[in-house]
Amino acid sequence: EAQVTQNPRYLITVTGKKLTVTCSQNMNHEYMSWYRQDPGLGLRQIYYSMNVEVTDKGDVPEGYKVSRKEKRNFPLILESPSPNQTSLYFCASRGGWASNQPQHFGDGTRLSIL
Amino acid sequence: DQQVKQNSPSLSVQEGRISILNCDYTNSMFDYFLWYKKYPAEGPTFLISISSIKDKNEDGRFTVFLNKSAKHLSLHIVPSQPGDSAVYFCAASVSNSGYALNFGKGTSLLVTP
Repeated sequence: EAQVTQNPRYLITVTGKKLTVTCSQNMNHEYMSWYRQDPGLGLRQIYYSMNVEVTDKGDVPEGYKVSRKEKRNFPLILESPSPNQTSLYFCASRGGWASNQPQHFGDGTRLSIL
Repeated sequence: DQQVKQNSPSLSVQEGRISILNCDYTNSMFDYFLWYKKYPAEGPTFLISISSIKDKNEDGRFTVFLNKSAKHLSLHIVPSQPGDSAVYFCAASVSNSGYALNFGKGTSLLVTP
């Protein structure tokens, strides 16, 4: 089954404690991205990756890092989480950067930073 | 600055009737538009899309209309079913900029029996 898998689904942690949210897709997609969803703001793109070792900032990249060492994985790293990063996070993928294929989304990771 | 606007946070419709969800955009460079549906505790799922070379695209009960001069698109669901109750996100992109999605804030649709 084609899917985008995120882990963990839920996490409560404290300010400053580094965390990583993993994202994996099994569709051999080149393009992957991370979004956060906040009440009243919709989905905003954090970072995206056009292919292995190629990443770029989205609209709200501050406080986040990403890496793309393998095609299937695109982890989101919060080096020093802060309460304003409490949010619902979605990873997504699609075939290619220049493709108009719709993105496939994971089921989300709800992070609470205390 | 929000380039894609969904001005109705919520909409309630009776089963069997038509649901009309609206979306406005400000960036005239947008040339590809999508609607996503999202259920609680799940990620958004693609519903329907339309290119700016068209003014209508239909897929079963779902039709998207695009009015480029008004920078407005709408999603029609006919007939509405209780299983359509979800949050609907409008998204817009520019084809020669990698189709990066700009999302609206979403409209929560409730279809009542």
